Amino acid sequence: GDSVTQMEGPVTLSEEAFLTINCTYTATGYPSLFWYVQYPGEGLQLLLKATKADDKGSNKGFEATYRKETTSFHLEKGSVQVSDSAVYFCALIRGYNKLIFGAGTRLAVHP
Amino acid sequence: NAGVTQTPKFQVLKTGQSMTLQCAQDMNHNSMYWYRQDPGMGLRLIYYSASEGTTDKGEVPNGYNVSRLNKREFSLRLESAAPSQTSVYFCASILELFSNQPQHFGDGTRLSIL
Repeated sequence: GDSVTQMEGPVTLSEEAFLTINCTYTATGYPSLFWYVQYPGEGLQLLLKATKADDKGSNKGFEATYRKETTSFHLEKGSVQVSDSAVYFCALIRGYNKLIFGAGTRLAVHP
Repeated sequence: NAGVTQTPKFQVLKTGQSMTLQCAQDMNHNSMYWYRQDPGMGLRLIYYSASEGTTDKGEVPNGYNVSRLNKREFSLRLESAAPSQTSVYFCASILELFSNQPQHFGDGTRLSIL
């Protein structure tokens, strides 16, 4: 069945470092892909999305490109801030808007 | 702009007790969802409601019941709580099923069952 695999965390970085969080998926066809972010004590918020191959989603300095050749949707940011500390979830969408999530990657950014 | 509102935010139950988690959205969305979030497992779908008056099972429905009371409200009920149901529960909504649009999430209900 469909699945999403994310790199295990936690990822610990210093402020202004470069961030990559790997995400790969297994699915039939080409589902839309999403990155959600969860700040402490809050629900999930959509960070960015891509609906077809080679699309690049971007928001708040984060980017991810839908790569069908490698079935990947890696999240990147050139310079992280302390306020980016959160849990990041990669997800794909299926059928009745069912979201299939990865396990989540916790990011901790230190000053 | 409340979005999706869940109540309560925290709850502790004893094994065998019952409880209803409430969810309401004010975005005039047709479809609503209940997820549970467990460490290292992401979110898993419990039940969803495509539209008012309909409900369907997701991945992990056992031990739960739902009610789509009206377009705004979608409740989740635990009839006889078990420690395995200790989790964080999230409600979400979307304008239309099959729209491929992102879901809007509430802030969650943290439930502990002793």
